[in-house]
Amino acid sequence: TQLLEQSPQFLSIQEGENLTVYCNSSSVFSSLQWYRQEPGEGPVLLVTVVTGGEVKKLKRLTFQFGDARKDSSLHITAAQPGDTGLYLCAVLNAGNNRKLIWGLGTSLAVNP
Amino acid sequence: GAGVSQSPRYKVAKRGQDVALRCDPISGHVSLFWYQQALGQGPEFLTYFQNEAQLDKSGLPSDRFFAERPEGSVSTLKIQRTQQEDSAVYLCASSLDGTGGHEQYFGPGTRLTVT
Repeated sequence: TQLLEQSPQFLSIQEGENLTVYCNSSSVFSSLQWYRQEPGEGPVLLVTVVTGGEVKKLKRLTFQFGDARKDSSLHITAAQPGDTGLYLCAVLNAGNNRKLIWGLGTSLAVNP
Repeated sequence: GAGVSQSPRYKVAKRGQDVALRCDPISGHVSLFWYQQALGQGPEFLTYFQNEAQLDKSGLPSDRFFAERPEGSVSTLKIQRTQQEDSAVYLCASSLDGTGGHEQYFGPGTRLTVT
């Protein structure tokens, strides 16, 4: 079973549309991270959310951490082709080795 | 260099061959991580070093996988007797730690194809 469930798995939209992707779990986390990965590259950290109910904005991207700290969402306004990529959520392992545990990702294609 | 580098970027191996994948972390970064990413999936943890010490190798899928970081800088992931199921992208990440924070910075990965 996957600790982090991401949905949708695939998303293809037209430039200018809005979209929301989700990262859900039955576990409570002290923090949650969102990454974007472009083809042939490693993941790049977008944001870390820490507080339940927290909302963070990064230009056209809005990240929300659920009140119970079990889930998170990423909303993109007026998507652009440059937003195309794999969006991954991840949490730090509860132990002290700081390994990241990842969702399967949402593959987003924004068509011009 | 400014970021984490990995070599080779692409590797094709015949089943049964041994391969060695190299990771050059950001200079001065204390921690180094290896992840395996199958096509269309999220990364999965393989192993973790703090300086030269391998503190966690619980994610290594079999004893054919071996990682080292002898001088606390460059790391090598070695896969012996490669199998088709080893085909994946192998990602390396490093973090500064301490007051520098724990953000992991990723290299571009090595795409391994076993034929």
